[in-house]
Amino acid sequence: GQNIDQPTEMTATEGAIVQINCTYQTSGFNGLFWYQQHAGEAPTFLSYNVLDGLEEKGRFSSFLSRSKGYSYLLLKELQMKDSASYLCAVMDSNYQLIWGAGTKLIIKP
Amino acid sequence: GAVVSQHPSRVICKSGTSVKIECRSLDFQATTMFWYRQFPKKSLMLMATSNEGSKATYEQGVEKDKFLINHASLTLSTLTVTSAHPEDSSFYICSARPLVTGGLEEQFFGPGTRLTVL
Repeated sequence: GQNIDQPTEMTATEGAIVQINCTYQTSGFNGLFWYQQHAGEAPTFLSYNVLDGLEEKGRFSSFLSRSKGYSYLLLKELQMKDSASYLCAVMDSNYQLIWGAGTKLIIKP
Repeated sequence: GAVVSQHPSRVICKSGTSVKIECRSLDFQATTMFWYRQFPKKSLMLMATSNEGSKATYEQGVEKDKFLINHASLTLSTLTVTSAHPEDSSFYICSARPLVTGGLEEQFFGPGTRLTVL
Protein backbone atom coordinates (compact mmCIF):
# COMPACT_ATOMS: atom_id res chain seq x y z
CA GLY A 1 0.00 0.00 0.00
CA GLN A 2 0.91 3.64 -0.18
CA ASN A 3 2.06 5.36 2.96
CA ILE A 4 3.33 8.77 4.00
CA ASP A 5 4.70 9.19 7.53
CA GLN A 6 5.45 12.42 9.33
CA PRO A 7 5.44 13.34 13.02
CA THR A 8 2.10 14.39 14.43
CA GLU A 9 3.31 17.41 16.34
CA MET A 10 6.50 19.37 16.96
CA THR A 11 7.34 22.33 19.16
CA ALA A 12 10.05 24.89 18.52
CA THR A 13 11.14 28.28 19.78
CA GLU A 14 10.79 31.57 17.93
CA GLY A 15 14.01 32.37 16.07
CA ALA A 16 15.22 28.77 16.08
CA ILE A 17 15.43 26.14 13.33
CA VAL A 18 13.16 23.12 12.96
CA GLN A 19 13.28 20.12 10.63
CA ILE A 20 10.12 18.21 9.77
CA ASN A 21 10.74 14.76 8.35
CA CYS A 22 8.63 12.80 5.91
CA THR A 23 9.11 9.21 4.75
CA TYR A 24 7.12 7.65 1.98
CA GLN A 25 6.30 4.42 0.22
CA THR A 26 4.30 4.93 -2.95
CA SER A 27 3.61 3.25 -6.26
CA GLY A 28 5.78 5.39 -8.45
CA PHE A 29 7.13 8.85 -7.81
CA ASN A 30 6.54 12.08 -9.68
CA GLY A 31 7.64 14.53 -7.06
CA LEU A 32 7.17 15.46 -3.44
CA PHE A 33 5.32 18.54 -2.23
CA TRP A 34 5.28 20.43 1.04
CA TYR A 35 2.25 22.52 1.92
CA GLN A 36 1.53 24.82 4.83
CA GLN A 37 -1.97 24.86 6.27
CA HIS A 38 -3.20 27.26 8.92
CA ALA A 39 -6.21 26.17 10.93
CA GLY A 40 -9.43 26.58 8.99
CA GLU A 41 -7.68 27.47 5.76
CA ALA A 42 -6.72 25.61 2.61
CA PRO A 43 -3.13 24.41 2.07
CA THR A 44 -0.65 26.75 0.43
CA PHE A 45 2.24 25.50 -1.66
CA LEU A 46 5.71 25.69 -0.14
CA SER A 47 8.02 23.52 -2.19
CA TYR A 48 8.40 20.80 -4.80
CA ASN A 49 11.26 18.28 -5.10
CA VAL A 50 11.58 15.76 -7.88
CA LEU A 51 15.37 15.32 -7.94
CA ASP A 52 17.62 14.45 -5.02
CA GLY A 53 19.05 17.33 -3.11
CA LEU A 54 18.19 20.52 -1.36
CA GLU A 55 15.88 23.24 -2.65
CA GLU A 56 16.17 26.54 -0.83
CA LYS A 57 13.53 29.23 -0.87
CA GLY A 58 14.09 31.99 1.64
CA ARG A 59 13.67 30.74 5.20
CA PHE A 60 12.33 27.41 3.97
CA SER A 61 14.34 24.58 2.44
CA SER A 62 13.27 21.12 1.36
CA PHE A 63 15.44 18.06 0.88
CA LEU A 64 14.77 14.84 -1.00
CA SER A 65 16.43 11.44 -1.13
CA ARG A 66 14.54 9.20 -3.52
CA SER A 67 16.63 6.12 -2.72
CA LYS A 68 15.69 6.44 0.94
CA GLY A 69 12.09 7.54 0.37
CA TYR A 70 12.81 10.50 2.60
CA SER A 71 12.31 14.22 2.63
CA TYR A 72 12.54 17.00 5.15
CA LEU A 73 11.34 20.57 5.38
CA LEU A 74 13.71 22.93 7.17
CA LEU A 75 12.38 26.16 8.61
CA LYS A 76 14.89 28.78 9.77
CA GLU A 77 14.48 31.91 11.85
CA LEU A 78 11.12 30.73 13.05
CA GLN A 79 8.37 33.28 13.44
CA MET A 80 5.12 32.99 15.37
CA LYS A 81 3.21 33.04 12.08
CA ASP A 82 4.93 29.77 11.13
CA SER A 83 2.69 27.99 13.61
CA ALA A 84 0.65 25.77 11.30
CA SER A 85 0.33 22.25 10.01
CA TYR A 86 2.85 21.15 7.40
CA LEU A 87 1.67 18.55 4.93
CA CYS A 88 3.93 16.26 2.95
CA ALA A 89 2.41 14.88 -0.26
CA VAL A 90 3.85 12.57 -2.90
CA MET A 91 2.64 12.41 -6.48
CA ASP A 92 2.44 8.78 -7.52
CA SER A 93 2.71 7.16 -10.94
CA ASN A 94 -0.89 8.16 -11.73
CA TYR A 95 -0.09 11.79 -10.94
CA GLN A 96 -2.31 11.57 -7.89
CA LEU A 97 -1.26 13.23 -4.65
CA ILE A 98 -0.87 10.93 -1.67
CA TRP A 99 -1.08 12.97 1.52
CA GLY A 100 0.58 12.59 4.87
CA ALA A 101 -1.48 13.35 7.96
CA GLY A 102 0.41 16.58 8.56
CA THR A 103 2.73 17.83 11.28
CA LYS A 104 1.36 20.45 13.62
CA LEU A 105 4.15 22.90 14.40
CA ILE A 106 3.82 24.95 17.58
CA ILE A 107 6.08 27.96 17.94
CA LYS A 108 6.75 29.26 21.44
CA PRO A 109 8.09 32.75 22.23
CA GLY B 1 -0.06 33.36 -9.50
CA ALA B 2 -2.83 30.87 -10.15
CA VAL B 3 -5.99 31.57 -8.15
CA VAL B 4 -8.79 29.19 -7.30
CA SER B 5 -11.99 30.43 -5.68
CA GLN B 6 -14.66 28.53 -3.81
CA HIS B 7 -18.19 29.60 -3.06
CA PRO B 8 -19.64 29.68 -0.50
CA SER B 9 -16.91 29.88 2.11
CA ARG B 10 -19.31 28.82 4.85
CA VAL B 11 -22.72 27.21 4.76
CA ILE B 12 -25.08 26.02 7.44
CA CYS B 13 -28.01 23.92 6.37
CA LYS B 14 -30.69 21.69 7.78
CA SER B 15 -30.46 17.94 7.61
CA GLY B 16 -31.97 16.58 4.41
CA THR B 17 -31.25 19.58 2.23
CA SER B 18 -28.77 19.75 -0.64
CA VAL B 19 -25.80 22.07 -0.83
CA LYS B 20 -23.85 23.09 -3.91
CA ILE B 21 -20.23 24.21 -3.70
CA GLU B 22 -18.55 25.92 -6.65
CA CYS B 23 -14.87 25.77 -7.48
CA ARG B 24 -13.47 28.16 -10.09
CA SER B 25 -10.01 28.63 -11.53
CA LEU B 26 -9.88 32.38 -12.06
CA ASP B 27 -6.84 32.96 -14.23
CA PHE B 28 -6.08 29.59 -15.80
CA GLN B 29 -7.80 26.64 -17.39
CA ALA B 30 -7.86 23.41 -15.45
CA THR B 31 -8.04 20.02 -17.11
CA THR B 32 -8.52 18.36 -13.78
CA MET B 33 -10.08 19.44 -10.53
CA PHE B 34 -9.96 17.57 -7.27
CA TRP B 35 -12.37 17.55 -4.35
CA TYR B 36 -11.12 16.87 -0.85
CA ARG B 37 -12.69 16.79 2.56
CA GLN B 38 -10.86 17.36 5.78
CA PHE B 39 -12.02 16.57 9.29
CA PRO B 40 -10.57 18.48 12.25
CA LYS B 41 -6.91 17.70 12.90
CA LYS B 42 -6.87 15.21 10.03
CA SER B 43 -5.20 15.30 6.65
CA LEU B 44 -6.91 15.88 3.34
CA MET B 45 -8.91 12.98 1.99
CA LEU B 46 -9.40 12.88 -1.76
CA MET B 47 -13.05 12.35 -2.59
CA ALA B 48 -13.04 12.49 -6.35
CA THR B 49 -11.18 13.63 -9.43
CA SER B 50 -13.11 15.44 -12.10
CA ASN B 51 -12.07 16.04 -15.69
CA GLU B 52 -13.83 18.55 -17.87
CA GLY B 53 -16.50 16.94 -20.01
CA SER B 54 -16.33 13.50 -18.46
CA LYS B 55 -17.62 11.70 -15.40
CA ALA B 56 -15.81 12.13 -12.13
CA THR B 57 -13.70 9.34 -10.69
CA TYR B 58 -14.64 8.69 -7.09
CA GLU B 59 -12.38 7.28 -4.41
CA GLN B 60 -13.32 4.07 -2.68
CA GLY B 61 -15.95 4.62 -0.04
CA VAL B 62 -17.28 7.89 -1.49
CA GLU B 63 -20.91 7.67 -2.58
CA LYS B 64 -21.23 9.10 -6.07
CA ASP B 65 -25.00 9.51 -5.71
CA LYS B 66 -24.54 11.56 -2.59
CA PHE B 67 -21.65 13.72 -3.74
CA LEU B 68 -22.53 14.85 -7.25
CA ILE B 69 -19.71 16.40 -9.22
CA ASN B 70 -20.14 18.36 -12.42
CA HIS B 71 -17.13 19.71 -14.30
CA ALA B 72 -18.97 21.85 -16.81
CA SER B 73 -16.05 23.84 -18.18
CA LEU B 74 -12.28 24.21 -17.92
CA THR B 75 -12.75 26.78 -15.16
CA LEU B 76 -15.69 25.46 -13.13
CA SER B 77 -16.45 22.35 -11.13
CA THR B 78 -19.31 21.93 -8.68
CA LEU B 79 -19.82 19.53 -5.79
CA THR B 80 -23.38 18.97 -4.61
CA VAL B 81 -23.90 17.27 -1.28
CA THR B 82 -27.36 15.74 -1.60
CA SER B 83 -29.60 15.07 1.39
CA ALA B 84 -26.94 16.31 3.76
CA HIS B 85 -26.68 14.86 7.25
CA PRO B 86 -24.71 16.01 10.30
CA GLU B 87 -21.94 13.50 9.56
CA ASP B 88 -21.34 15.33 6.27
CA SER B 89 -20.24 18.40 8.22
CA SER B 90 -16.64 18.98 7.20
CA PHE B 91 -14.21 21.28 5.45
CA TYR B 92 -14.44 20.75 1.69
CA ILE B 93 -11.51 21.89 -0.41
CA CYS B 94 -11.11 21.87 -4.16
CA SER B 95 -7.92 22.10 -6.14
CA ALA B 96 -7.21 22.59 -9.80
CA ARG B 97 -4.39 21.42 -12.04
CA PRO B 98 -3.55 23.82 -14.88
CA LEU B 99 -3.89 22.83 -18.50
CA VAL B 100 -0.24 23.67 -19.05
CA THR B 101 2.07 22.98 -16.17
CA GLY B 102 5.51 23.38 -17.67
CA GLY B 103 6.63 20.17 -16.03
CA LEU B 104 5.45 20.86 -12.51
CA GLU B 105 2.29 18.93 -11.78
CA GLU B 106 1.16 21.43 -9.23
CA GLN B 107 -2.32 21.74 -7.81
CA PHE B 108 -3.70 25.07 -6.71
CA PHE B 109 -6.11 25.02 -3.81
CA GLY B 110 -9.28 26.94 -3.23
CA PRO B 111 -9.86 28.53 0.18
CA GLY B 112 -12.24 25.79 1.28
CA THR B 113 -15.91 25.61 2.26
CA ARG B 114 -16.96 24.93 5.83
CA LEU B 115 -20.19 22.92 5.77
CA THR B 116 -22.23 22.53 8.93
CA VAL B 117 -25.33 20.38 8.81
CA LEU B 118 -27.72 20.82 11.70
